Amino acid sequence: AQSVAQPEDQVNVAEGNPLTVKCTYSVSGNPYLFWYVQYPNRGLQFLLKYITGDNLVKGSYGFEAEFNKSQTSFHLKKPSALVSDSALYFCAVRDSYGGSQGNLIFGKGTKLSVKP
Amino acid sequence: DAGVIQSPRHEVTEMGQEVTLRCKPISGHDYLFWYRQTMMRGLELLIYFNNNVPIDDSGMPEDRFSAKMPNASFSTLKIQPSEPRDSAVYFCASSDIYEQYFGPGTRLTVT
Repeated sequence: AQSVAQPEDQVNVAEGNPLTVKCTYSVSGNPYLFWYVQYPNRGLQFLLKYITGDNLVKGSYGFEAEFNKSQTSFHLKKPSALVSDSALYFCAVRDSYGGSQGNLIFGKGTKLSVKP
Repeated sequence: DAGVIQSPRHEVTEMGQEVTLRCKPISGHDYLFWYRQTMMRGLELLIYFNNNVPIDDSGMPEDRFSAKMPNASFSTLKIQPSEPRDSAVYFCASSDIYEQYFGPGTRLTVT
């Protein structure tokens, strides 16, 4: 069965510092991995994805994520956090095989708070 | 493209009333998803369609919930009768091959 875990409910970072939001996954085949961001009173917004190729994926707003197959992780990172990055972040996974094509499994979300 | 369109954006209704939420997916997307988000339960997948056919409705909480997709450009989620515990934000999303694109959501309040 597919699953995704975001071990931290909340991450607090000072503006200008690097940030990491953690995600681990479990799939039976090769994973397709995604990060989404949700600002207050808005829908989820796609940030980046890993399908194949380079393990370091760059996305919107200066975010990047590193796929680590041995650790089954896909942590979201940004070198220098902004107050405007404060939001709820969701990791999602889909198996590249199987009948659930199209459906993503979402984590519970991590609230990122960036203080000035 | 205008993105995924949902209506209404806000709905306040009394317990026992019928509620219909509407969604227009992005043109050309083969998949459509309905989610519910609450503080207590987070983001829950209710049902999803592929080429207008329901694929997995295991997340639909009760028989009071039903969803249809009569054509590629329109879907509805109906709750009948509504209950206060149905209060949540309901999102529609559509996708082609990989990532899903979410609508702005409908905030439903059942009093």
